[in-house]
Amino acid sequence: GQQVMQIPQYQHVQEGEDFTTYCNSSTTLSNIQWYKQRPGGHPVFLIQLVKSGEVKKQKRLTFQFGEAKKNSSLHITATQTTDVGTYFCAVLQGGSEKLVFGKGMKLTVNP
Amino acid sequence: ETGVTQSPTHLIKTRGQQVTLRCSSQSGHNTVSWYQQALGQGPQFIFQYYREEENGRGNFPPRFSGLQFPNYSSELNVNALELDDSALYLCASSLMGTDTQYFGPGTRLTVL
Repeated sequence: GQQVMQIPQYQHVQEGEDFTTYCNSSTTLSNIQWYKQRPGGHPVFLIQLVKSGEVKKQKRLTFQFGEAKKNSSLHITATQTTDVGTYFCAVLQGGSEKLVFGKGMKLTVNP
Repeated sequence: ETGVTQSPTHLIKTRGQQVTLRCSSQSGHNTVSWYQQALGQGPQFIFQYYREEENGRGNFPPRFSGLQFPNYSSELNVNALELDDSALYLCASSLMGTDTQYFGPGTRLTVL
């Protein structure tokens, strides 16, 4: 099945900084989803990308699917303390429609 | 707020015991998926239920079992609990054929 790896696993940024996190696969992905999990919370769906080279924006968050559909990125502009949490990428595998998650990228923000 | 509810929120059991966790899906959804999330890890797929039948299973032993009821709510049962079963158990509801799953708040299970 399709597997995804996230880098880095931890990121500490100063409030106001920009940063980018990545999700990589050795195989071509049919889709990629991104979730955010606040400390003590549950995963919350952010976005799904399905097309090669697709770019979607949500306020300060920009999501991109690579041209080869083997990687995806999440870029946050002007990080705020409300961005704190763990960001997961996941692949929705057809048939059983199960989500296969990466290990996550834990973001902390220094105010 | 997703409309997905889970009970209980926290649970402490001892090794060898059995546990039942419950999930009520969002209105209009007919599919429930269960995930196990160990500390510091991503959620791992346990199984999915659709129309009261198992519709896919992850790499979990048979002592993990489930049910789905006519109202689409679901139960996760774990027998012969082991220390490694300590985790956050998440259910996610969805409408079959759509791509978005909505997670509940989870049940934190501790096995001593």
